Amino acid sequence: DAGVIQSPRHEVTEMGQEVTLRCKPISGHNSLFWYRQTMMRGLELLIYFNNNVPIDDSGMPEDRFSAKMPNASFSTLKIQPSEPRDSAVYFCASGEGGANTEAFFGQGTRLTVV
Amino acid sequence: SQKIEQNSEALNIQEGKTATLTCNYTNYSPAYLQWYRQDPGRGPVFLLLIRENEKEKRKERLKVTFDTTLKQSLFHITASQPADSATYLCAHRAGSNDYKLSFGAGTTVTVRA
Repeated sequence: DAGVIQSPRHEVTEMGQEVTLRCKPISGHNSLFWYRQTMMRGLELLIYFNNNVPIDDSGMPEDRFSAKMPNASFSTLKIQPSEPRDSAVYFCASGEGGANTEAFFGQGTRLTVV
Repeated sequence: SQKIEQNSEALNIQEGKTATLTCNYTNYSPAYLQWYRQDPGRGPVFLLLIRENEKEKRKERLKVTFDTTLKQSLFHITASQPADSATYLCAHRAGSNDYKLSFGAGTTVTVRA
């Protein structure tokens, strides 16, 4: 397996534009996580899915953020409209499910909103 | 709510020495505690998991301990090498039915040759 695949790797957009980040989890994994990482706040959990169903979205900062998982092999994180303070590295991770299992991270998407 | 804290932002050590990193939690004892390594520009990579009823776990030159009395986990890198230079993150899940994986801020280790 190629691991968790995220696209794009880098995204530069203007304030107010819509941004969509994409993630392909490892085949067979039941859990999917979206994280945001900044120097100030570290690695923050935004939302996680289990069997394609959103379980906890309490980490989503505002209504401008939304995430979907239409099937087991694809998830998106959308920011609309984007703001400069959304600039960060966004990671997607997947896991087999269960508390004693690890998370496998993608390479991340570095988002810059100017 | 549970807070997980890594006390040191940065740790500089000489090659060959043991690096010891600390992860403290504030409230309940997490059922599972994990340690990850993150290199610049890359996502975290899993290293070790320890359960609350385990005192110690080892993997090659890595050792993790879990002290529920002190509410603390220690992560040791023995015989450190420059290639061990990275940021190390601890993460926890509250219970066996909890899928939510929350991370500490991380400690950046630099090993000098």
